[in-house]
Amino acid sequence: DAGVIQSPRHEVTEMGQEVTLRCKPISGHNSLFWYRQTMMRGLELLIYFNNNVPIDDSGMPEDRFSAKMPNASFSTLKIQPSEPRDSAVYFCASSPIQGSNQPQHFGDGTRLSIL
Amino acid sequence: EDQVTQSPEALRLQEGESSSLNCSYTVSGLRGLFWYRQDPGKGPEFLFTLYSAGEEKEKERLKATLTKKESFLHITAPKPEDSATYLCAVQPLIQGAQKLVFGQGTRLTINP
Repeated sequence: DAGVIQSPRHEVTEMGQEVTLRCKPISGHNSLFWYRQTMMRGLELLIYFNNNVPIDDSGMPEDRFSAKMPNASFSTLKIQPSEPRDSAVYFCASSPIQGSNQPQHFGDGTRLSIL
Repeated sequence: EDQVTQSPEALRLQEGESSSLNCSYTVSGLRGLFWYRQDPGKGPEFLFTLYSAGEEKEKERLKATLTKKESFLHITAPKPEDSATYLCAVQPLIQGAQKLVFGQGTRLTINP
């Protein structure tokens, strides 16, 4: 079975550029989560969706970050303009919505470097 | 504020040397406690969910236990392939909430 698919796996870009990260959740999963992982802060939830609707975006660091889920099989996380402190590994995860304590299944992440 | 603290930060063991990893948590109410394994360059891989104090789950050489304030991940006779970072996360008991709060992880190295 296909797991959560993220692209690109690596992204290197210059400060000020727009960055778009993509995620395809596991088929049949109705909840989708975006996390950021750094050495200093560990794994932090940025935003999550249920049935394509954003439920909690309190972890989104600032207005430069935005996330969308136009349909059940695709989500994007956009940073505009990017800054060096945005460098991190960004993970997408999905889970079934039935039984809200179902485990989240993670993709292999996008390693983002902002120069 | 919901908080998860894992100890030790790093642990180095010899193959076959059993040990335990600790996850201490403070949360207003606990819906579930999750253990994940993370290999370098990969996303976290789900291991266990624990829901109530006294519960235990086992998988191969791993056993997870839960009390009202902490969880332990016991590793029995580990092998080099058990080397990874182990992450603990809590899901607060808030109506409709699915967010996870993660600890910083324990980096485990098993030497042959």
